Amino acid sequence: DAKTTQPNSMESNEEEPVHLPCNHSTISGTDYIHWYRQLPSQGPEYVIHGLTSNVNNRMASLAIAEDRKSSTLILHRATLRDAAVYYCILRLYNTDKLIFGTGTRLQVFP
Amino acid sequence: KAGVTQTPRYLIKTRGQQVTLSCSPISGHRSVSWYQQTPGQGLQFLFEYFSETQRNKGNFPGRFSGRQFSNSRSEMNVSTLELGDSALYLCASSLRGMETQYFGPGTRLLVL
Repeated sequence: DAKTTQPNSMESNEEEPVHLPCNHSTISGTDYIHWYRQLPSQGPEYVIHGLTSNVNNRMASLAIAEDRKSSTLILHRATLRDAAVYYCILRLYNTDKLIFGTGTRLQVFP
Repeated sequence: KAGVTQTPRYLIKTRGQQVTLSCSPISGHRSVSWYQQTPGQGLQFLFEYFSETQRNKGNFPGRFSGRQFSNSRSEMNVSTLELGDSALYLCASSLRGMETQYFGPGTRLLVL
């Protein structure tokens, strides 16, 4: 079964870069990698997604390993508002389902 | 543009009762998905509706059902509630499917 593995928690200081890792060794060639984050008392919020190439947007960057078995979400300068649970998700091509990981709780210290 | 809205936000029921949750998607979005979030199981996909048809389903018992109306609004129903159904139920909408999804704030259901 498709799944993702993430560390339970990570810490960062404000204005420092944060690298959130995710392993997805069961990924197939056409599955997308999505990242969402969930702030306290809110629904998840889309962050970024990619297939094979690295991706950048205004929120973050996504670095995908060449074999696609892992990826890293990069927040270039963490702020206190980035404190959230970050979910690495596989979007399965054959069923178009989203498989959520258990998430990484990111704490950001001033 | 208004975001995804869910009603009610909080609900308390007792075992054996049934419950209906409502979701209004972002205007123009035709796909609505439902998720269950619990501390033990995390976020789990329930089902997806597109143009009033269930297009995708997760691994939940038949007590969990849903429907979508012609205006894309969706309802989720849980019959014969069990204690384990206590959870945050999240609705998400998108234009066509599982591309960028926009989540509502959720309905927190407590079953006593």
